[in-house]
Amino acid sequence: SVLLYQKPNRDICQSGTSLKIQCVADSQVVSMFWYQQFQEQSLMLMATANEGSEATYESGFTKDKFPISRPNLTFSTLTVNNARPGDSSIYFCSSRGTGGRAETLYFGSGTRLTVL
Amino acid sequence: QQQVRQSPQSLTVWEGETAILNCSYEDSTFDYFPWYHQFPGESPALLIAIRPVSNKKEDGRFTIFFNKREKKFSLHIADSQPGDSATYFCAASAGNNNAPRFGAGTKLSVKP
Repeated sequence: SVLLYQKPNRDICQSGTSLKIQCVADSQVVSMFWYQQFQEQSLMLMATANEGSEATYESGFTKDKFPISRPNLTFSTLTVNNARPGDSSIYFCSSRGTGGRAETLYFGSGTRLTVL
Repeated sequence: QQQVRQSPQSLTVWEGETAILNCSYEDSTFDYFPWYHQFPGESPALLIAIRPVSNKKEDGRFTIFFNKREKKFSLHIADSQPGDSATYFCAASAGNNNAPRFGAGTKLSVKP
């Protein structure tokens, strides 16, 4: 398995500001995925981040709004630029496990963002 | 992004009954079908998963039934317990490195 440490756990910010979310894995993983979840709704894939290359964004998400960095195999950051109340949701980093658990998707603890 | 369809949106069963959650997909390249559950305030966690080489996967009270021809799969929770009350998500992915796509979720409530 893989453990993903995410911070901050929650944050409140003003509209128009930016917030950075960090995700650290306890082992090297090829891909990290970022998901957005609105209250009691589905997990929407935002982007896939691989080391040393630009993140691949899903429809509805852009790198200008949600820039993602992946400087090494254990770390990734997601930034929410020009935050709006509609960005208020939970953001999860995730990755597949290692070894015999490579099929399983593991999630970080999530960052609950509230934009005022 | 709704590549995986899930129903019902919510489901209430009595303790001891079997809860049935349904999902369907369109993309024929999907080859891995997990179910996750999520308790309030927690992260999703893998419950059980299946690959299309099988049409059934059991793990205790949890069983996945898979119909490749109809592109449908379901989760059966036998002898439901109040502790099973959570939101359940089906998902599908293709290949070893691609991210799963999730269904809309089913909020299950098990009444004692």
